[in-house]
Amino acid sequence: GAGVSQSPRYKVAKRGQDVALRCDPISGHVSLFWYQQALGQGPEFLTYFQNEAQLDKSGLPSDRFFAERPEGSVSTLKIQRTQQEDSAVYLCASSLGGTVHEQFFGPGTRLTVL
Amino acid sequence: SQQGEEDPQALSIQEGENATMNCSYKTSINNLQWYRQNSGRGLVHLILIRSNEREKHSGRLRVTLDTSKKSSSLLITASRAADTASYFCATEGRNYGQNFVFGPGTRLSVLP
Repeated sequence: GAGVSQSPRYKVAKRGQDVALRCDPISGHVSLFWYQQALGQGPEFLTYFQNEAQLDKSGLPSDRFFAERPEGSVSTLKIQRTQQEDSAVYLCASSLGGTVHEQFFGPGTRLTVL
Repeated sequence: SQQGEEDPQALSIQEGENATMNCSYKTSINNLQWYRQNSGRGLVHLILIRSNEREKHSGRLRVTLDTSKKSSSLLITASRAADTASYFCATEGRNYGQNFVFGPGTRLSVLP
C-alpha cells in the first residue's frame, strides 16, 4: 500500500524566497506531524494536526513558518522569506489517530537555502 | 532543548553481538518510542512503550523503561549488518509543547 509521500524531494531556494512543501499522508490517518531534521541530528517537532485542526504548533521556529491541512488530508508547510538556517530535511509523518500510535514517516524534503 | 538524549552517540560492534542504547529524558511522559533511520528506508518505528510498562519485546528488540530514573534502554540481540543505522528515542510529553521530542540519536555500525 502507499506510504506517506512528500514533494518535492529536493528544493533549492534563494534566500528570501517563499517555499511550499507538500505531504500526502496515508489514507485514513487522522494525525499528521511535521518535523525538521538538521544533518546529524534527530528530528525536531514543528507542528501536529488532528484532521484539519492544528493542535500543537509549539515547534514552529518563527512566524515565517506556517502549516495547514484544510481538508484533513494533504498538508502544506510554507516557509516565507527563507533564511540559510532553514536548510534542513523536512519530514512529514502520519498516524492512525491520537498520540499513542506509531508514526509513519515520509522520505522527507531536503531544503537548501543559498 | 532536547527532551531525549541517547547514549552512546556512536557504537560499533561485530555481527552477532548485542547492542545496547540508552535514552534519558527530563519531563513526565505518556509513552516513549524507538525509531531507526537509515538512508535506504528513512525513519521507521520500532517499538512503543507506555509509561505504565516496564519492559517490552519485539523480535530481537527489548526495550525497558524506568520512569523513576527517566530513562529507557534498547537492546538489539544477535545484531546483523542490516541493523546498521541511527536509532532515536522519542518521547510524548504530558503537557502542550512537550510532545514528540526526539533525541540526537545513536549511530550503530554492525561490522560483518
